[in-house]
Amino acid sequence: NAGVTQTPKFQVLKTGQSMTLQCAQDMNHEYMSWYRQDPGMGLRLIHYSVGAGITDQGEVPNGYNVSRSTTEDFPLRLLSAAPSQTSVYFCASSYGTGPQETQYFGPGTRLLVL
Amino acid sequence: GDSVTQMEGPVTLSEEAFLTINCTYTATGYPSLFWYVQYPGEGLQLLLKATKADDKGSNKGFEATYRKETTSFHLEKGSVQVSDSAVYFCALSARDTGRRALTFGSGTRLQVQP
Repeated sequence: NAGVTQTPKFQVLKTGQSMTLQCAQDMNHEYMSWYRQDPGMGLRLIHYSVGAGITDQGEVPNGYNVSRSTTEDFPLRLLSAAPSQTSVYFCASSYGTGPQETQYFGPGTRLLVL
Repeated sequence: GDSVTQMEGPVTLSEEAFLTINCTYTATGYPSLFWYVQYPGEGLQLLLKATKADDKGSNKGFEATYRKETTSFHLEKGSVQVSDSAVYFCALSARDTGRRALTFGSGTRLQVQP
């Protein structure tokens, strides 16, 4: 199993450009989520999905869109990048519920918006 | 809402010293508690977890005990190594909601000197 994979590893954008951060998992996990990591703030939830065709907003959803057409993939779209979106983005997936649940994280995408 | 508070870093220790990183939480219901570790340039890895009061999670010489009465989950290790240098995140997962998302602390950077 490759686990959770993310592409690209690093990206530079200009203000107003759009892009999609890719996330895929091969563990057949129903639950997937996107976090952003900023210095001194830990990780904050952007969007999440409890299964194919179902998505919902997290703590900081503004400026980001998601869709979940398959169990494996959960892309994150920036429609018009802003400098405030400069961050490291992590995708995660998990199995189980309640006490059995464990979340697995991808290696991250570092995004710089100029 | 839910929150996690960690001691601020960086924490600088000499090899073989004793480590404590404090973590306290606020949550409704009865959360599961986690410690994640992030090595330089990598994503987050689950270090240990505990799902009910008085549970002790342990892994790689690290341990933490779920203390419901003090709402704490402090991370300890008896003898740190240079290879333990990383950022450590305390997190909780509230079971009562459908979001199944993790709420993270701000992270504590540990630097171990030879």
